Amino acid sequence: DTEVTQTPKHLVMGMTNKKSLKCEQHMGHRAMYWYKQKAKKPPELMFVYSYEKLSINESVPSRFSPECPNSSLLNLHLHALQPEDSALYLCASSPSGTGGEGYTFGSGTRLTVV
Amino acid sequence: GDSVTQMEGPVTLSEEAFLTINCTYTATGYPSLFWYVQYPGEGLQLLLKATKADDKGSNKGFEATYRKETTSFHLEKGSVQVSDSAVYFCALSNYRGSTLGRLYFGRGTQLTVWP
Repeated sequence: DTEVTQTPKHLVMGMTNKKSLKCEQHMGHRAMYWYKQKAKKPPELMFVYSYEKLSINESVPSRFSPECPNSSLLNLHLHALQPEDSALYLCASSPSGTGGEGYTFGSGTRLTVV
Repeated sequence: GDSVTQMEGPVTLSEEAFLTINCTYTATGYPSLFWYVQYPGEGLQLLLKATKADDKGSNKGFEATYRKETTSFHLEKGSVQVSDSAVYFCALSNYRGSTLGRLYFGRGTQLTVWP
């Protein structure tokens, strides 16, 4: 298995809703990432988990809450989002935290906040 | 800090034309360099990579050579196809402990190939 699987592929949520994005990989990678991508822009790093511990939090608003239940799973819990949070949310993984090996990205969750 | 500068697009070519997308970087030490491709409505796919100076990454007819003297990693393809139409991102990773796992992306270049 050489994929990063993200669910759901599309999500529409109201500003008062609570939802979660899920990411799964079975490549034995020990680093996992959440990126946010707005249209026609490069991805922006949100969070990095290394060996299941949160290593980087890029000053993301608290309405985004990451969770890494085990080495294969990564969740992003969403609560009280704003319309400007609408974007493509990408999960990625890498063998370790050093980055030199390259990153495997999922196909993303396209989130629309209404 | 570390950064990537990528040529502005969009780039529009006819099928079988030669492609070059310029990418230069700023980084201390010895970063790893990548090209990612993003097809419409999809995530990013690793196209090729190079981890040290003078390395050439290649995949699907695309090539890029890690040039430390010019801090460049230009993407080339000798004959593009309509199916190559996508957004291409140059990126670097420069592990120094405190920048664990961070990828620095260029702005992306939209390539459109016409039949």
